[in-house]
Formats: sequence, structure tokens, C-alpha cells
Amino acid sequence: AQTVTQSQPEMSVQEAETVTLSCTYDTSESDYYLFWYKQPPSRQMILVIRQEAYKQQNATENRFSVNFQKAAKSFSLKISDSQLGDAAMYFCAYRSGGGSEKLVFGKGMKLTVNP
Amino acid sequence: DTGVSQDPRHKITKRGQNVTFRCDPISEHNRLYWYRQTLGQGPEFLTYFQNEAQLEKSRLLSDRFSAERPKGSFSTLEIQRTEQGDSAMYLCASSLRQQSPLHFGNGTRLTVT
Repeated sequence: AQTVTQSQPEMSVQEAETVTLSCTYDTSESDYYLFWYKQPPSRQMILVIRQEAYKQQNATENRFSVNFQKAAKSFSLKISDSQLGDAAMYFCAYRSGGGSEKLVFGKGMKLTVNP
Repeated sequence: DTGVSQDPRHKITKRGQNVTFRCDPISEHNRLYWYRQTLGQGPEFLTYFQNEAQLEKSRLLSDRFSAERPKGSFSTLEIQRTEQGDSAMYLCASSLRQQSPLHFGNGTRLTVT
């Protein structure tokens, strides 16, 4: 079974600075997708960024980018120019490329942004 | 796009009672998912529908849990004979097609006393 590990339960960053959230995963599959989701306090979970395992190029979405290391099974999220609105729980998630629609989530990491 | 709607937002029930939650997906989305999230954990997959067909079920979905999506639109999740361990946030999500991003609702928080 696939597992997703987020080893840092909490992090903090100063506004306008850069922060990197780590995630590792375990799978025997070669075709899969990786995601970062953001869950602000008392608000719905939203997709931040996704990465297809077959793509070597790291995904970017504005201030958000990933460092995807397939051999190391590592998938970190970098947030540049942090904003107060980035404060949230961040979840790393895995989905098989083999047809299952199930997302496997990590335990999450609470990001605090200090003004 | 009014988003995924879940009702109720909060439910408090006594152990042994039955509860039912409703999820209305984004109107054109044919895929609907239920997840459960306990405190300090990430969401755990429960089940998935494509239109009215329930195509995947987690082993977490015991015999006390049942989900339906009778007309391929809204879905209900029923928990029979609730236990304190059922206390959690129940999240619904929908998507347009395979590999499309999931859109989550605000969830239903269940407290079993």
C-alpha cells in the first residue's frame, strides 16, 4: 500500500520569505500523481499544485513550486514571497495512475506566517 | 460554479443513533468522493462514485456505513449505530473527469457523545 509521510507537523515563516515543506512517499508503482492541498482554518481544502510522475519538469504555479525527486520518492513544496493568506494546513497526497481514484494523504503540516 | 455543498455543517448525536449526511457536488461533475478526517490526521478515503455507480470502497467503510448517489447528482452517507470512534469531519469532493482536480466541500463535523 502507498504511504505519504510529512515529518514536520508545524513550520513558521516570515511574511515575504521563502519556506519549503517536505513530503516523502512510498510506492512500488511507476505511474502516479502527487499533490499539495491547502486547508485554511474552517475553510475548504483546495488544490495548490500537482505533479505527474512521468514528467521530469517540476510543476510551478505562481509563487508555488515543487522539487520532485522520483528516485528519492521526495516531493517538497516551496512557497516564495510568503503571504499571510498562506497560513493553513498543507497536505501532501498521492494518487495511483493505475485507475484508482483514491487519494492517500499525509498527516499534514501547519504553516504559520508571521507579519 | 457554486461549489460543493455539504449539509449539515455540524451534527451531534448520541452513541447508537443513525445519522445521514448530504453532499451536493458541482453540477456538471460526475465523480463524487467521500473522505473522513480525524483530528490531527489527513483525510482518509471512504468511497467514490462515477455517476450513480459506486466504483471504489475503502475497508474503512464498515457495514455500518452506506453511501448512495441514486440519480448521479447528490449523495448521502449514512452511519448506523454510531460509535464514539465515528467522530470526525466527513468531507465530500467532486471532479469533472478522471485526473481532474478534486473540489472539496466544507465538510460535516460529526460528534458522537
